[in-house]
Amino acid sequence: DIQMTQSPSSLSASVGDRVTITCRASQNIATFLSWYQQKPGKAPKLLIHATSGLQSGVPSRFSGSGSGTDFTLTISSLQPEDFATYYCQQSYNTPPWTFGQGTKVEIK
Amino acid sequence: EVQLVESGGGLVQPGGSLRLSCAASGFTFSRYAMMWIRQAPGKGLEWISYISGSSSTTYYGDSVKGRFTVSRDNAKNSVFLQMNNLRGEDTAIYYCARDDYGTDFWGQGTLVAVSS
Repeated sequence: DIQMTQSPSSLSASVGDRVTITCRASQNIATFLSWYQQKPGKAPKLLIHATSGLQSGVPSRFSGSGSGTDFTLTISSLQPEDFATYYCQQSYNTPPWTFGQGTKVEIK
Repeated sequence: EVQLVESGGGLVQPGGSLRLSCAASGFTFSRYAMMWIRQAPGKGLEWISYISGSSSTTYYGDSVKGRFTVSRDNAKNSVFLQMNNLRGEDTAIYYCARDDYGTDFWGQGTLVAVSS
């Protein structure tokens, strides 16, 4: 199975900061990588599919990049509503569909 | 508007069974594969099951293989998860989700608690 490792596990940032979250796959997954945002008590929400495809309705301050084994999610200017936990997920070699362990973005 | 609504969760004793349901609306249900994904309290996301639009293909995660069975009724726009021989480590919120470009829509989840 492909293992997905996110870093950092948590971070503190201020409104307006540029935030980058990294996801590393244990083997090549091409660009079969999605990012999700989860707020407390809520279901995850798809932000980005296929590494860089912004889901409809997601603000353009969110962007994704990478290929192969290394991927990043960037929030260009952090907004109050962006404080949440973010997960990456690979869909290249399935089953299983595997998630990273999550990155919690907290207010500094 | 796409909607997924899970039901059927609750408290069950170890070794017991539950059947989860997920009612879908707002899209042509039979055209999409569906998944079940769970989240233990305070933990991350774990994919547990997949069913293709025609039901011809199903997959399970290792942690539930042989105990859980996924099925769907396209006439009723519903997907189901039969869970048998439940264990404490199955305690989680269970989400149904649509598989498209990414797992693009999720239900609100239903809580399953396994305890004596």
